[in-house]
Amino acid sequence: GESVGLHLPTLSVQEGDNSIINCAYSNSASDYFIWYKQESGKGPQFIIDIRSNMDKRQGQRVTVLLNKTVKHLSLQIAATQPGDSAVYFCAEIFTGGGNKLTFGTGTQLKVEL
Amino acid sequence: EPEVTQTPSHQVTQMGQEVILRCVPISNHLYFYWYRQILGQKVEFLVSFYNNEISEKSEIFDDQFSVERPDGSNFTLKIRSTKLEDSAMYFCASGGQMNTEAFFGQGTRLTVV
Repeated sequence: GESVGLHLPTLSVQEGDNSIINCAYSNSASDYFIWYKQESGKGPQFIIDIRSNMDKRQGQRVTVLLNKTVKHLSLQIAATQPGDSAVYFCAEIFTGGGNKLTFGTGTQLKVEL
Repeated sequence: EPEVTQTPSHQVTQMGQEVILRCVPISNHLYFYWYRQILGQKVEFLVSFYNNEISEKSEIFDDQFSVERPDGSNFTLKIRSTKLEDSAMYFCASGGQMNTEAFFGQGTRLTVV
């Protein structure tokens, strides 16, 4: 069945360090993945996406890596800043199952000064 | 920057009462969604809406729930007879195309007492 899970519930990093947030998914048919950032009291905010025909995509300070062999997704944040503190969710879309997002449980990223 | 807006930001209602949560999606979007997030848990899909009809719904979206797009701009979620377990953050989202990112509103916190 479909499930998306995160390896670590909480990640603490020092300001300026790089952060890596991991995600495992179980549905090998999923072909579109999105990372969302959720700050306290706010809705999920789109960060970056990747389709299954790619294994890497870069944005501003963020990189998403997709390893379809082991069904693993990661979000790398370069030079982490205090404003990056939030809960990060990976989400998948299985296009054969419609347009809905299946979210993982989330990782709390804490940036220490 | 266009955004999804939701009203009210917080709704308190008595068990058994009807509530209507309102959303104004991004104006040129065609795909609309409702998700919910129970405190401390992951975001869960409720329903997707396209071309003036429900395209997919989850097991959570039972007969107590309904959605409507009464005019060209609003998208509403109605809970006919609220239960205590309906207490959650409810997020509206919209998307411009099939299988692209969804943009989320700030959410409505529903508290059923």
